[in-house]
Amino acid sequence: QSALTQPASVSGSPGQSITISCTGTSSDVGSFNLVSWYQQHPGKAPKLMIYEGNKRPSGVSNRFSGSKSGNTASLTISGLQAEDEADYYCCSYAGSSRAWVFGGGTKLTVL
Amino acid sequence: QITLKESGPTPVKPTQTLTLTCTFSGFSLRTSGVGVGWFRQPPGKALEWLALIYWDDDKRYSPSLESRLTITKDTSKNQVVLTMTNMDPVDTATYYCALRGQESSGYYYDAFDIWGQGTMVTVSS
Repeated sequence: QSALTQPASVSGSPGQSITISCTGTSSDVGSFNLVSWYQQHPGKAPKLMIYEGNKRPSGVSNRFSGSKSGNTASLTISGLQAEDEADYYCCSYAGSSRAWVFGGGTKLTVL
Repeated sequence: QITLKESGPTPVKPTQTLTLTCTFSGFSLRTSGVGVGWFRQPPGKALEWLALIYWDDDKRYSPSLESRLTITKDTSKNQVVLTMTNMDPVDTATYYCALRGQESSGYYYDAFDIWGQGTMVTVSS
């Protein structure tokens, strides 16, 4: 299966909102409500921010939200803060191959 | 408190077999719904899912690497082991293990909530 497609970079100013897209196919993102999003700061392990498309694990700020339309999932971060600057990865279950596939990652810069 | 920690040799020579161990605490792989996955991330590159093992010994593998991977569990030692054969310099990466997520209700979901710190594996002659 091919990797999911994410923009290489996005940026925003503190307080603004940004959205990161994640485009897959009808075999993964489009077929299952199993998209997750991970935040990764340099040198650190990934942190789960969103699962099953739009659910937040306990302790994750409600400034983070997820959605999906067709074969594209999105992560929105509202009220940008300096500590949101990180790499973000989407991940989807791909049922036909019983596997998980990641996106190429998006570097978020808070200006 | 749930923790996971990866361990393995480095460096590894090309063509050798890599054996990585994920040692965990705070949960049991005998518990229905539990799953532990392995991931890797080459320097400066994206995350890649490698394999997953469930409490019932169901195993899943990345299709592109399936021929080289074996995942097993030792419930008595609280460990999950991943072996990767025929290592190549392109396999140089930080390797992570992570636990399938669970809601407070007890529902397990298909994302990975708790991660180990990762172990860097360098493949070089």
